[in-house]
Amino acid sequence: DTEVTQTPKHLVMGMTNKKSLKCEQHMGHRAMYWYKQKAKKPPELMFVYSYEKLSINESVPSRFSPECPNSSLLNLHLHALQPEDSALYLCASSLQDGSYEQYFGPGTRLTVT
Amino acid sequence: GQNIDQPTEMTATEGAIVQINCTYQTSGFNGLFWYQQHAGEAPTFLSYNVLDGLEEKGRFSSFLSRSKGYSYLLLKELQMKDSASYLCAVTHSGGYQKVTFGTGTKLQVIP
Repeated sequence: DTEVTQTPKHLVMGMTNKKSLKCEQHMGHRAMYWYKQKAKKPPELMFVYSYEKLSINESVPSRFSPECPNSSLLNLHLHALQPEDSALYLCASSLQDGSYEQYFGPGTRLTVT
Repeated sequence: GQNIDQPTEMTATEGAIVQINCTYQTSGFNGLFWYQQHAGEAPTFLSYNVLDGLEEKGRFSSFLSRSKGYSYLLLKELQMKDSASYLCAVTHSGGYQKVTFGTGTKLQVIP
């Protein structure tokens, strides 16, 4: 199983809503990532979890809150987002660290109204 | 900061060879990835270079020169399905954790 799954596929939320994005992998990978991708732009790294601990936060606003409940799951909690946060949110995992290829999920297309 | 540059767009003919360049200036460079991303889909891994030289994998090859801060992806025998964006990505800052993607090159293969 070389699949990373993400739910939901699409999400529309208002600026006062609270929602969560979910990511799951069963490859035994110990590093998991959240990326944000705007249209026609490359993915931008947001967070890295290594062995279930947050190891990198790329100065992401606090309205984005990551969580890694166990080695297979990664969540991204969203609260009080802005319209400019609308983007494709990609989850990825790799065996251990950034020196291993990353497997990406299909992404969640988020629209903030 | 990190600076990774690629041409924005390229067009090539089916059956031909195309070379997509990537230049980078990063602190604590570790290695360089190439990913392919079809429109509306997630990136998929193509190659990873750590040492200088050419790595060949079927129709795709990737080259790295650490001293020049330069890499290229070579695609041979182009097929229509190769139309996609090609992203180089650098791992850096010593800890193998940070990955920064380049601007991406949109390749269009024409008949």
